[in-house]
Amino acid sequence: DIVMTQSPDSLAVSLGERATINCKSSQSLLYNSNNKNYLAWFQQKPGQPPKLLIYWASTRESGVPDRFSGSGSGTDFTLTISSLQAEDVAVYYCQQYYNAPSITFGQGTRLEIK
Amino acid sequence: QVQLVQSGTEVEKPGSSVKVSCKASGGTFINSVFYWVRQAPGHGLEWMGGLIPALGTPDYSQKFQGRVTISADVSTTTTYLELSSLRSEDTAVYYCADIRGPWGQGTLVTVSS
Repeated sequence: DIVMTQSPDSLAVSLGERATINCKSSQSLLYNSNNKNYLAWFQQKPGQPPKLLIYWASTRESGVPDRFSGSGSGTDFTLTISSLQAEDVAVYYCQQYYNAPSITFGQGTRLEIK
Repeated sequence: QVQLVQSGTEVEKPGSSVKVSCKASGGTFINSVFYWVRQAPGHGLEWMGGLIPALGTPDYSQKFQGRVTISADVSTTTTYLELSSLRSEDTAVYYCADIRGPWGQGTLVTVSS
């Protein structure tokens, strides 16, 4: 099974500042035949289901603000929020879907306002 | 745009089974990739299993092997999660999701005597 490890577990950032969340997979998520990384990022607010932000490691889902960006390849990935807004307070999860429908999530990173 | 609508809250006794449904609309059901995730109170997301209706054979987390059954009815574009031998630790919100992004609203399952 592919294990996903996020860091940090929690993060406090001032409004307008940059937030960075890391995700590491136990094996490469890069599929050589199409050169795509099978990695997604989700945002979850209390009482709501997770919302897809990023897929293929760096493609923003329709409607997601451009302050959210994803980067990385292989086993190391990053979600960056360029200028934190109050509505970005949430728990963020990375997900690998390399062997979908078998998927795994990171343990989550709680993002708060400093 | 794919939308997923799940069945309602369930309260079950220990040792019983529960079956949660997830109706999909707006997409190509048979070629979709569906999966089920649960979230216990205050905890993270835990994958239970998934299914590609076109292939038919589900894939299950080892943790739930023998207790979970995931199925799909192509005629009604509905997927199902059945969990048996329920215990209090199974109290959680259960979500269905499509690999393309949409999630159901979640179904709270409470296991209590």
